[in-house]
Amino acid sequence: DAGVTQSPTHLIKTRGQHVTLRCSPISGHKSVSWYQQVLGQGPQFIFQYYEKEERGRGNFPDRFSARQFPNYSSELNVNALLLGDSALYLCASSFSGSPQETQYFGPGTRLLVL
Amino acid sequence: AQRVTQPEKLLSVFKGAPVELKCNYSYSGSPELFWYVQYSRQRLQLLLRHISRESIKGFTADLNKGETSFHLKKPFAQEEDSAMYYCALRDKAAGNKLTFGGGTRVLVKP
Repeated sequence: DAGVTQSPTHLIKTRGQHVTLRCSPISGHKSVSWYQQVLGQGPQFIFQYYEKEERGRGNFPDRFSARQFPNYSSELNVNALLLGDSALYLCASSFSGSPQETQYFGPGTRLLVL
Repeated sequence: AQRVTQPEKLLSVFKGAPVELKCNYSYSGSPELFWYVQYSRQRLQLLLRHISRESIKGFTADLNKGETSFHLKKPFAQEEDSAMYYCALRDKAAGNKLTFGGGTRVLVKP
């Protein structure tokens, strides 16, 4: 198993544009979480999804949205991009998202907004 | 609101010397604490969690509820310990949401 995979690895957008980031969890994992990591800071929780339902949401504006598909892969969408959205976006998966489980992180997508 | 603080951005030690990474937290309930590590060009991975009370790669961490701390320690640092370390807290009432500290970069010199 390749572990959690994310695409693309890098992308560059301009202010006001829209971006979609993708995540494929480890095979058998049904829960996906998204984190934003701004340079020099720790990851910050954005969303958690389990069985296509949102289970948790961090303190992010409505410009950020996500969804999970029947195959448990997930997309993170960001509208009306701002310079401050430039960050590494991490996806993590676990079997059911329950507190006892370890989360496994992907390599991240590095987004640069110009 | 929960918060995790790692006061040191960078720790530089010589090989064989002890290393201690500080982590303090604020949380009103009963926390679950973790240390994650990110080696160069690798993804973020779990190092240890306080409920396991185990030693991983020679590292240990003790949860001190009185001081609200979860410091990570290793008595003899190795060059392969050079990495970025993040302390994280999980709110058991919020699924598996993790709140991370800002991270400490450890550099072990030969």
